[in-house]
Amino acid sequence: KAGVTQTPRYLIKTRGQQVTLSCSPISGHRSVSWYQQTPGQGLQFLFEYFSETQRNKGNFPGRFSGRQFSNSRSEMNVSTLELGDSALYLCASSHLPGTGVEQYFGPGTRLTVT
Amino acid sequence: DAKTTQPNSMESNEEEPVHLPCNHSTISGTDYIHWYRQLPSQGPEYVIHGLTSNVNNRMASLAIAEDRKSSTLILHRATLRDAAVYYCILRGNTPLVFGKGTRLSVIA
Repeated sequence: KAGVTQTPRYLIKTRGQQVTLSCSPISGHRSVSWYQQTPGQGLQFLFEYFSETQRNKGNFPGRFSGRQFSNSRSEMNVSTLELGDSALYLCASSHLPGTGVEQYFGPGTRLTVT
Repeated sequence: DAKTTQPNSMESNEEEPVHLPCNHSTISGTDYIHWYRQLPSQGPEYVIHGLTSNVNNRMASLAIAEDRKSSTLILHRATLRDAAVYYCILRGNTPLVFGKGTRLSVIA
């Protein structure tokens, strides 16, 4: 079974631009979560989606948004990029949301903002 | 969010067992104990999780204290490929919250 895939793997953008990142979950998984990883802040939770509905949102500004489609694929968007948005963006999928459920992570999208 | 405490770093010899400790004195009755690891330049990888009883899988074992205030991830024979940052996470009905984890070094 194919793992979680994320596209693109690497991206360079300029301050002020916007970016859209894509995540395809493992087949059959209906829950998708997004995380941001930086050297200074570590891994931080962004959003969690299940059945096209956002269940949880982390403490990030409104410039960060996401959505999930009916086929469980998910996208996240960052508008008006800032230098501090440079990070590894990770997507994870699971069968369902919940406490006793393991998540499977993709390789991430490395975003560099110049 | 419930907190966990892990040593910043640990070192192990190759082919020796490794016991990675985690303290979580404020765990609630419905919190699961999850372990993930992150190898260099990769996304986190699920290792194991449990609620009350000890758990085993092909990667590792999870030993949970009777009062659930601590747990130990056991790698039975460390290999160089096990060198990673290991995260112990308590999960209630909330997203995963990653701390700083334990950086495990494996010496050949």
